[in-house]
Amino acid sequence: AQSVTQLDSHVSVSEGTPVLLRCNYSSSYSPSLFWYVQHPNKGLQLLLKYTSAATLVKGINGFEAEFKKSETSFHLTKPSAHMSDAAEYFCVVSDPNQAGTALIFGKGTTLSVSS
Amino acid sequence: GAGVSQSPRYKVAKRGQDVALRCDPISGHVSLFWYQQALGQGPEFLTYFQNEAQLDKSGLPSDRFFAERPEGSVSTLKIQRTQQEDSAVYLCASSLAPRQTYNEQFFGPGTRLTVL
Repeated sequence: AQSVTQLDSHVSVSEGTPVLLRCNYSSSYSPSLFWYVQHPNKGLQLLLKYTSAATLVKGINGFEAEFKKSETSFHLTKPSAHMSDAAEYFCVVSDPNQAGTALIFGKGTTLSVSS
Repeated sequence: GAGVSQSPRYKVAKRGQDVALRCDPISGHVSLFWYQQALGQGPEFLTYFQNEAQLDKSGLPSDRFFAERPEGSVSTLKIQRTQQEDSAVYLCASSLAPRQTYNEQFFGPGTRLTVL
């Protein structure tokens, strides 16, 4: 069975400071891992994905995540937060080897950015 | 370019009423998924189609939930005799192929269902 745990339900940062959203996963095989962002009243947007090609993954809008197998972690970071980054973020795990496999979402982390 | 679209965006139903939610996937996408997102939670899987075949419906919470994709493109999620616990955002997602190295799914904006 697969699962993800997002360690913080809410993270608050000031504009221009670093962002760290933490995610741990559980999987019995080498998983695919994703981060999605959801802005209010908008659809889920893929930020980045890990597919075993490289452990440090760069995504859109300056976000990146590092896959650490020994720690079973896939934390999302950004060097400098922007007001437009305020949104809900989901860490997601999937089995890349099964056809039509559903994505397994964490409960989400709400990122607030203050000026 | 056209993404995944869903209609209606908002639906208010009285308890006991039947509702139908529509999803238009990206053209040519073989796989289609439905998810349910309760308030303050992450989306949870409901059902999966590969073309017109419903290959997995293990996430449907009860037999009041029914989904179809008769021609392998547009899909409809139907909920019969709605209950208050059905209130949620229903998300549709599509992906290009049934088997991919990373299974990227593209999501629609969702339908927010409120059952009174």
